[in-house]
Amino acid sequence: ILNVEQSPQSLHVQEGDSTNFTCSFPSSNFYALHWYRWETAKSPEALFVMTLNGDEKKKGRISATLNTKEGYSYLYIKGSQPEDSATYLCASTQSPGGTSYGKLTFGQGTILTVHP
Amino acid sequence: EPEVTQTPSHQVTQMGQEVILRCVPISNHLYFYWYRQILGQKVEFLVSFYNNEISEKSEIFDDQFSVERPDGSNFTLKIRSTKLEDSAMYFCASSLAGLSFSTDTQYFGPGTRLTVL
Repeated sequence: ILNVEQSPQSLHVQEGDSTNFTCSFPSSNFYALHWYRWETAKSPEALFVMTLNGDEKKKGRISATLNTKEGYSYLYIKGSQPEDSATYLCASTQSPGGTSYGKLTFGQGTILTVHP
Repeated sequence: EPEVTQTPSHQVTQMGQEVILRCVPISNHLYFYWYRQILGQKVEFLVSFYNNEISEKSEIFDDQFSVERPDGSNFTLKIRSTKLEDSAMYFCASSLAGLSFSTDTQYFGPGTRLTVL
């Protein structure tokens, strides 16, 4: 059974702090790692899709790294702002059988609260 | 910016009733998905759909569930006889289905909260 885990479960930081959280996933049969930002009552917003070991992606103050050999990804937020408060979800696509049709397996999310 | 829409935002139904959840994917997307999140649990995959066929489905997606693309714009999830344990937030997603299904970005709708009484 594929298990994607995120830590911490929740995080409270002050405005201006930098923060990071972790997503771990099985390294075997790995295809891609997706990060989403999800605000309550809104659609989950796609942040990054990462595929290659050592891949790094950046979008404004948010960046992510990927280690496929050891099965983890880090998401970093530099200079957190109150509007960054959201649940951050990671999801993995894997293919134990050799074929994948894009099924995402999600972690439980990290709830970030940025205090003014 | 194009977006995935879902209706209704909240559906309340009695156990045993049929419900249809509706989604309008992004117009040029070819690959469609349903996921759900039971309160307090992880978002979980239900089904993927491409070229008018189910590509992959999870163990949750039993005979009580069906999907359909009745016209060129809508994508529906039907639950024939709802159970209490079907109460969840149901998300529709779509992707362009370019070179690789697994690396395409999936764009999610805002969800339909289904409450089964």
